[in-house]
Amino acid sequence: KAGVTQTPRYLIKTRGQQVTLSCSPISGHRSVSWYQQTPGQGLQFLFEYFSETQRNKGNFPGRFSGRQFSNSRSEMNVSTLELGDSALYLCASSFGLGQNQETQYFGPGTRLLVL
Amino acid sequence: QKEVEQNSGPLSVPEGAIASLNCTYSDRVSQSFFWYRQYSGKSPELIMSIYSNGDKEDGRFTAQLNKASQYVSLLIRDSQPSDSATYLCAVNGGATNKLIFGTGTLLAVQP
Repeated sequence: KAGVTQTPRYLIKTRGQQVTLSCSPISGHRSVSWYQQTPGQGLQFLFEYFSETQRNKGNFPGRFSGRQFSNSRSEMNVSTLELGDSALYLCASSFGLGQNQETQYFGPGTRLLVL
Repeated sequence: QKEVEQNSGPLSVPEGAIASLNCTYSDRVSQSFFWYRQYSGKSPELIMSIYSNGDKEDGRFTAQLNKASQYVSLLIRDSQPSDSATYLCAVNGGATNKLIFGTGTLLAVQP
């Protein structure tokens, strides 16, 4: 079974631009969560989507948004990029049954560099 | 106070030894606990999950959970150089899939 895929793998943008990252979950998984990883803050939860609905949101500004499509694929968008948005963005998928014992499987990540 | 705390290390152990990684968490209602391994430049990979007090063994790995002390640990027996990585402790206490991660412990296994 194919794992979680994320595109693009690497991205370079300049301040003020916007970016869209894509995630395709494991086949059959309906929940997609997004995390930001930086050396200073570690791994931080951004948001979770299930059945095209945002089910939970982390403590990030409104510049960070996401959505999920009917095929469970998800995108996240960051507008008005800041230098501090440079990070590894990780997508994780799970069945999404709403039980907190579910294992989340991570994709390879998208490394974003903001200049 | 951070929600999930880990010693950042590095924890250095000789090959063949037992590596002991520790994690404490602040939210008493936390119910699910996970250990992920992350190699440099790669994404996290699940090593163990544990939900009940006590020990859970899987090969060379043993996870230990003590909810009363709000403490979870990971033991790696017969440590190998290939075990050298950052080990992330993650906790889930809610009804959704939000994981709270510690900052990770860097493990270095010396040949």
